[in-house]
Amino acid sequence: SQQGEEDPQALSIQEGENATMNCSYKTSINNLQWYRQNSGRGLVHLILIRSNEREKHSGRLRVTLDTSKKSSSLLITASRAADTASYFCATDSYYGGSQGNLIFGKGTKLSVKP
Amino acid sequence: DGGITQSPKYLFRKEGQNVTLSCEQNLNHDAMYWYRQDPGQGLRLIYYSQIVNDFQKGDIAEGYSVSREKKESFPLTVTSAQKNPTAFYLCASTIAVTALTEAFFGQGTRLTVV
Repeated sequence: SQQGEEDPQALSIQEGENATMNCSYKTSINNLQWYRQNSGRGLVHLILIRSNEREKHSGRLRVTLDTSKKSSSLLITASRAADTASYFCATDSYYGGSQGNLIFGKGTKLSVKP
Repeated sequence: DGGITQSPKYLFRKEGQNVTLSCEQNLNHDAMYWYRQDPGQGLRLIYYSQIVNDFQKGDIAEGYSVSREKKESFPLTVTSAQKNPTAFYLCASTIAVTALTEAFFGQGTRLTVV
């Protein structure tokens, strides 16, 4: 079952521009995470935002969370060619009464052109 | 260096053959996960394990089996019952299922049926 859905599916920008990706989810969450995946590689954790937080920063990354709209956004400022990757949001979910599994969206494929 | 190691990086399977994908971690994490990634589908959970000698089915467990005899190891067997096994397989770990902290991923195994 897919919990998060990223939008857009693909995004192409020029170096130096900002990139914004959105994530919508269906059920209540405890936290939301963003991950990055370079082509053919594993995922790398970028940032975690808890349900009682509205905004979080890490370097050139800014994440917002709106629990009333069940949505989150990831902003990458002053993008670089090295930011080219797929970006996934992940939320927690429940299996058989056990909390804690991460459910991933389908991702946004970001291409930053030099 | 602490991390997760998946092997092999590429694996070819003949029709009707069982194959086993290796996943080892030295992070001292209790929880481990297997995900399958198909193009445009994001990550789907196959199995997860909260603790040694325990594991639970995820969304798409049919045709797969796992074991968790040691804390560090969580091998995935793709059986002949899995009719469409060609995909990218990712192993991940977290401190504990209930901790909901960041997940650490291996570099993946690309399985192809020949």
